[in-house]
Amino acid sequence: QVQLQESGPRLVKPSGTLSLTCGVSGGSISTSDWWTWVRQPPGKGLEWIGEIYHTGTTNYNPSLRSRVTISVDKSKNRFSVNLRSVTAADTAVYYCARLSCIGGLCYVFESWGQGTLVTVSS
Amino acid sequence: QSVLTQPPSVSGAPGQRVTISCTGSSSNIGAGYDVQWYQQLPGTAPKLLIYGNRNRPSGVPDRFSASQAGTSASLAITGLQAEDEADYYCQSYDSSLSGSSYVFGTGTKVTVL
Repeated sequence: QVQLQESGPRLVKPSGTLSLTCGVSGGSISTSDWWTWVRQPPGKGLEWIGEIYHTGTTNYNPSLRSRVTISVDKSKNRFSVNLRSVTAADTAVYYCARLSCIGGLCYVFESWGQGTLVTVSS
Repeated sequence: QSVLTQPPSVSGAPGQRVTISCTGSSSNIGAGYDVQWYQQLPGTAPKLLIYGNRNRPSGVPDRFSASQAGTSASLAITGLQAEDEADYYCQSYDSSLSGSSYVFGTGTKVTVL
């Protein structure tokens, strides 16, 4: 059973860069799955940030593409997200998740980390 | 801004049946992209409830069922139980001229009366 765990600073200053890492345990990151980030502002809904394959191929939410970079470190079995030029609107619980195909049916967020609240404030 | 629309809340007494709608468009559900459903208990991460429009992962009770038709999907909970009180989100994929993205519904809070 693959488990994911987010880590990183919980407080980021406005105009700074939000950086989080997701550690993958119980399985290799070098599988046919994609690895992704999702965020949820307090009291609001879910927003997809982007995804990465173990080869380094990435796809991003068009609304965040200009500010986000997702990277992978296969040697440490983890992947990371950087979100630049943050504002208070970027305050949210950030989740890492595994995107899988189940029985040939894809685009499924099958496993999730517990999430970490990142606050943007001076 | 979510492109999949859900009712903000639904409620029912224990044992009753409730349904949650998820309305999309021709660039997501109507384009043939599958719909998934997630349950989010208070203070926890979302949990996969339904995938591929109507399939339950192992461990999900058969009280939960779902369907899809046209540009919409729906989730039904029969025999509502207290532990079903949670937020529920639909999810699909959207591809249009402005780009492609995984999309989530606006979310529905289920209250057990």
